Amino acid sequence: KQEVTQIPAALSVPEGENLVLNCSFTDSAIYNLQWFRQDPGKGLTSLLLIQSSQREQTSGRLNASLDKSSGRSTLYIAASQPGDSATYLCAVSGDSWGKFQFGAGTQVVVTP
Amino acid sequence: NAGVTQTPKFRILKIGQSMTLQCTQDMNHNYMYWYRQDPGMGLKLIYYSVGAGITDKGEVPNGYNVSRSTTEDFPLRLELAAPSQTSVYFCASIPQVGPVELTEAFFGQGTRLTVV
Repeated sequence: KQEVTQIPAALSVPEGENLVLNCSFTDSAIYNLQWFRQDPGKGLTSLLLIQSSQREQTSGRLNASLDKSSGRSTLYIAASQPGDSATYLCAVSGDSWGKFQFGAGTQVVVTP
Repeated sequence: NAGVTQTPKFRILKIGQSMTLQCTQDMNHNYMYWYRQDPGMGLKLIYYSVGAGITDKGEVPNGYNVSRSTTEDFPLRLELAAPSQTSVYFCASIPQVGPVELTEAFFGQGTRLTVV
């Protein structure tokens, strides 16, 4: 059974620092991996989707890498801003049916 | 374009009562999902559907039922509510862009359910 782990569970950084969020998974036979942002009391917003054949994806200040052989993905957020404060969730899909296994998330606080 | 809409946003149920959580999407996505999120935990898949008339169980289906009569709607039914079903429920949809290619998931705002 696929297990997805996100460490640390919480992170606090001053504004302007780069954020590095980690996600590890136990089964390397994945279909794709997606990073989400969740604000308190809100739904999830997709940030980046990495297909199994890709090594990384970039969108603005966000960059996500994928290393299937080691079972790891990393989300980098450059020059963090207070508006980046949220919980970031990693999710792995093992097939083309889009069924995700989620990590518990990393709660990020960016202080002005 | 409303995306994925869930109703109600909040609900308190008494033990043994039943209710239906509504989910509708206006993006013509074939793939739809129900997840639950417990405090400090990742989301867990309850049921999913790959098209009208086709549903299947996820990781935690006990105590729930679903139906998919149209592409737009995917209601989740709770029968005989139990305190263990206290959670936040999320509906999601994914577009299928190729024979086996899926893209990003779209989530609703969630339904916060408390069973007392």
